[in-house]
Amino acid sequence: DQQVKQNSPSLSVQEGRISILNCDYTNSMFDYFLWYKKYPAEGPTFLISISSIKDKNEDGRFTVFLNKSAKHLSLHIVPSQPGDSAVYFCAASNFGNEKLTFGTGTRLTIIP
Amino acid sequence: GAGVSQSPSNKVTEKGKDVELRCDPISGHTALYWYRQRLGQGLEFLIYFQGNSAPDKSGLPSDRFSAERTGESVSTLTIQRTQQEDSAVYLCASSLTGGTNQPQHFGDGTRLSIL
Repeated sequence: DQQVKQNSPSLSVQEGRISILNCDYTNSMFDYFLWYKKYPAEGPTFLISISSIKDKNEDGRFTVFLNKSAKHLSLHIVPSQPGDSAVYFCAASNFGNEKLTFGTGTRLTIIP
Repeated sequence: GAGVSQSPSNKVTEKGKDVELRCDPISGHTALYWYRQRLGQGLEFLIYFQGNSAPDKSGLPSDRFSAERTGESVSTLTIQRTQQEDSAVYLCASSLTGGTNQPQHFGDGTRLSIL
């Protein structure tokens, strides 16, 4: 049972444009959501998170949006840069259960 | 360095052998997690340590898997009688207090290959 789903295995975006990565979840108990970025042969790097009491969180070029009614979150990267090319994972957890449940990842390629 | 450190970075072993993987968390982080990532899949939770509390072992796939942590420092993940399906990248993460709303910071993982 895949509780966190990233339905797009890959995405290509022109440099300078906006990249939008999507994530859906099924467990309504999830109340904390994170995005991680992963380069080959490295561990995931934390990017940005959002609590379920918010619907938006920004950090520089990265913005995460949460739609609780749709059980959907998205990561916007603007403007996209070549160094953003990586695999992006969304993850979720719920209060009292600190383990993260991960999606299967989306490979983002920024085209120069 | 200041990050999570894992060793070895790569391990190749024969089916049936035991392996031990090591994780050094970020200094001061009380919570430590082990995950694994099989080829083409997301990260799968294995076990969670928080301070001196009993670990959450709910993600361990079989009794061949065990983990220990000494205080709030080093952790070892042991896989006994390895099988080919154990081949994966094993990732360790730590967080400051282990509560929700605390991002987990990952090491670079140990790539385990079972022949």
